[in-house]
Amino acid sequence: EVQLAESGGGLIQPGGSLRLSCAASGFTFSSYNMNWVRQAPGKGLEWVSIISSSGGTIYYADSVKGRFTISRDNAKNSLYLQMNSLRDEDTAVYYCVRGDYYYGMGVWGQGTTVTVSS
Amino acid sequence: EIVLTQSPGTLSLSPGERATLSCRASQSVSSSYLAWYQQKPGQAPRLLIYAASGRATGIPDRFSGSGSGTDFTLTISRLEPEDFAVYYCQQYGSSPPYTFGQGTKLEIK
Repeated sequence: EVQLAESGGGLIQPGGSLRLSCAASGFTFSSYNMNWVRQAPGKGLEWVSIISSSGGTIYYADSVKGRFTISRDNAKNSLYLQMNSLRDEDTAVYYCVRGDYYYGMGVWGQGTTVTVSS
Repeated sequence: EIVLTQSPGTLSLSPGERATLSCRASQSVSSSYLAWYQQKPGQAPRLLIYAASGRATGIPDRFSGSGSGTDFTLTISRLEPEDFAVYYCQQYGSSPPYTFGQGTKLEIK
């Protein structure tokens, strides 16, 4: 079964750092682009970042550029999101999502909650 | 950045009725790389439609997508009780950011 499982969320003070992880199983992880998508409480979906299958191409949303870093370890079937200089507005559920150039974002994790508050 | 505007914000219908949801882009979506997702409370989104009109695996045929360029539509031919949820469109063509629409809430009338 194809699965994505996020971890690493929690309560963090403004200005702090947090590292999210996503463990992939049931498919050839190294063949797919991977994304992070977030959803603030009661709000819509916001695409955050994408990393290509090899890790060689990376993009970020303007709202996180310079503060967040996406990375992957294909040997460990894992995706990461290093989040620095966290702000109140980064409070959200963060989803790990498998991407495909044609089929879109077909596989989503269950999400991990990040709360930025003093 | 492509901005996606969904309408209506809320749609109130009864089971058995037909639902038509709209997604309009601020500029042409590359190769019709437009997807639709369904999200129920407390759950992750689920892919319904890819490339404007392709139905994802396991999605009932009452769901259909159409459109090209800047105007796209998700149609649910005959609403079932489990279809009441929030629906998002997303463009994923060319270069990021892969923006989402603000969502349409489909509620029971």
